[in-house]
Amino acid sequence: KNEVEQSPQNLTAQEGEFITINCSYSVGISALHWLQQHPGGGIVSLFMLSSGKKKHGRLIATINIQEKHSSLHITASHPRDSAVYICAVRESGYSTLTFGKGTMLLVSP
Amino acid sequence: KAGVTQTPRYLIKTRGQQVTLSCSPISGHRSVSWYQQTPGQGLQFLFEYFSETQRNKGNFPGRFSGRQFSNSRSEMNVSTLELGDSALYLCASSQDEGYYGYTFGSGTRLTVV
Repeated sequence: KNEVEQSPQNLTAQEGEFITINCSYSVGISALHWLQQHPGGGIVSLFMLSSGKKKHGRLIATINIQEKHSSLHITASHPRDSAVYICAVRESGYSTLTFGKGTMLLVSP
Repeated sequence: KAGVTQTPRYLIKTRGQQVTLSCSPISGHRSVSWYQQTPGQGLQFLFEYFSETQRNKGNFPGRFSGRQFSNSRSEMNVSTLELGDSALYLCASSQDEGYYGYTFGSGTRLTVV
């Protein structure tokens, strides 16, 4: 059974700080997704990774397939980055997603 | 380009009733997947449809069912509602079973009383 672990569970930061959220998983995967969920429910897909690194604005996502680990970095954090960040993996040979419990980020001005 | 549309946004039902939720995917997307989100369990996969065929089903009782129509719109049904079915139900559409990523709807918040 694939386990997806995220850390930390909760994170508070001051505006401008560099943020790192980690995700580890236990089985081979074909893709890893980073999702963002603001209060109110809607989920936005931030990145889909199968190898290496991707960057979009102030967000950077990396994945190490051998170590079964991914990180999401936010540079120069801003209060509007406050949200729950969820890691989800698509296991090799399957088309379903397994989710981590999420990391709740609060960025204060 | 219209996003993924879920209706209704909010729903209150009584224990024992049944409910049908609807999801309209992005035009051209043939895959629709459904998820349940609760504070205790987080996000859990319910089922996935591709071109009207159920491809995968999560570990949920038979009271949870779904279908997909020829226009790719999907519905999920929950019969004999229980208090524990109260949750946010999200659907996501993708071009090809998620290989190119997913676009999520805003969800339907179901409250069972």
